[in-house]
Amino acid sequence: AQSVAQPEDQVNVAEGNPLTVKCTYSVSGNPYLFWYVQYPNRGLQFLLKYITGDNLVKGSYGFEAEFNKSQTSFHLKKPSALVSDSALYFCAVRDGGNTPLVFGKGTRLSVIA
Amino acid sequence: DAGVIQSPRHEVTEMGQEVTLRCKPISGHNSLFWYRQTMMRGLELLIYFNNNVPIDDSGMPEDRFSAKMPNASFSTLKIQPSEPRDSAVYFCASRGTGVAFEQYFGPGTRLTVT
Repeated sequence: AQSVAQPEDQVNVAEGNPLTVKCTYSVSGNPYLFWYVQYPNRGLQFLLKYITGDNLVKGSYGFEAEFNKSQTSFHLKKPSALVSDSALYFCAVRDGGNTPLVFGKGTRLSVIA
Repeated sequence: DAGVIQSPRHEVTEMGQEVTLRCKPISGHNSLFWYRQTMMRGLELLIYFNNNVPIDDSGMPEDRFSAKMPNASFSTLKIQPSEPRDSAVYFCASRGTGVAFEQYFGPGTRLTVT
């Protein structure tokens, strides 16, 4: 069975500082990993994905994520946080089958000016 | 493309009433998913369809919940009778064929059952 863990319910960071939102996963076979962001009163919005290839994946709004197979992690990062990055972030995984994404519980990011 | 379309965006109803939520997936997508989001439980998968066929409805909380997908461009999630604990935001998502495809979410329907 697939699973995702987001160990932090809340991450606080000062504007301009780098941010990291952590994610670890468990899947049989090759993982397909995704990050989504949810702003208040909105649906989930796709940020980036890892399918294969380069372990560092770049996505929307300056976000990137690093796939680490040995640590089964896929942490979301951004070099310089903006107040507008404050939102709820979800990590998700699926295996190679035609199955739904399995989502983590989400991490609330708060960027303080 | 208009993205995934959901209606209504907000629904307030009284306990015992029937509620129908609607979803139009992105054209060409062959998988459709219904999720429920609450503060207590987070994001829960209720049911998903591949090529209009329900594949897994194990997430549907009770027999009061039912979902249909009569064609590739329309799906409904029905709650009958509704209860206050059904109050949540219900999301529909769709996806194209292939493991590399991400799911695209609609804006959600905020359901309040009084």
